[in-house]
Amino acid sequence: AQSVTQPDIHITVSEGASLELRCNYSYGATPYLFWYVQSPGQGLQLLLKYFSGDTLVQGIKGFEAEFKRSQSSFNLRKPSVHWSDAAEYFCAVGASGGSYIPTFGRGTSLIVHP
Amino acid sequence: SQTIHQWPATLVQPVGSPLSLECTVEGTSNPNLYWYRQAAGRGLQLLFYSVGIGQISSEVPQNLSASRPQDRQFILSSKKLLLSDSGFYLCAWRLKDRDTGELFFGEGSRLTVL
Repeated sequence: AQSVTQPDIHITVSEGASLELRCNYSYGATPYLFWYVQSPGQGLQLLLKYFSGDTLVQGIKGFEAEFKRSQSSFNLRKPSVHWSDAAEYFCAVGASGGSYIPTFGRGTSLIVHP
Repeated sequence: SQTIHQWPATLVQPVGSPLSLECTVEGTSNPNLYWYRQAAGRGLQLLFYSVGIGQISSEVPQNLSASRPQDRQFILSSKKLLLSDSGFYLCAWRLKDRDTGELFFGEGSRLTVL
């Protein structure tokens, strides 16, 4: 069975500082990996995804993530955080197929101090 | 382009009352459809998914039900709400023929059961 672990429930950073959100997954084959962002009271928006090719993936809003198969990780990074990045971040793992059901992590809440 | 609509956005209902949340996708056909619930401070819980009209799979036994009367319409219902049904409900869709597997989420429906 596939699973996703986001070990940090909350992360606090200062505006302008760098950010790394951790995600570890368990999956029997090459996974499809995703990061989503959720602003308060909103739905989830896709930040970036990995399914093949270059293991460093660029996304929207200046985010990037790196797939490391040896560590079963897909950590999200941003070199300089803006106050508007404060939100909930979800990592997800899945695969192709008609009855596809992705698995989401519990989320990491990002707090940005001015 | 494809869009997804959920309504109502906010709902306050007494215990024991019925529920109907509606989700409609536009600009695509034959999508996979999903209902998730997000309780306060917790991750995403998959409730139901559907791969076609009238085809519903339930992930969690509870007093909720789902129906897909039309290709792009997904309805979440309950005959008698419980306090524990309070939460943020998210509808999502996915293209079957897109192999990258990302989900696209609606804006959510906030349900408070009193």
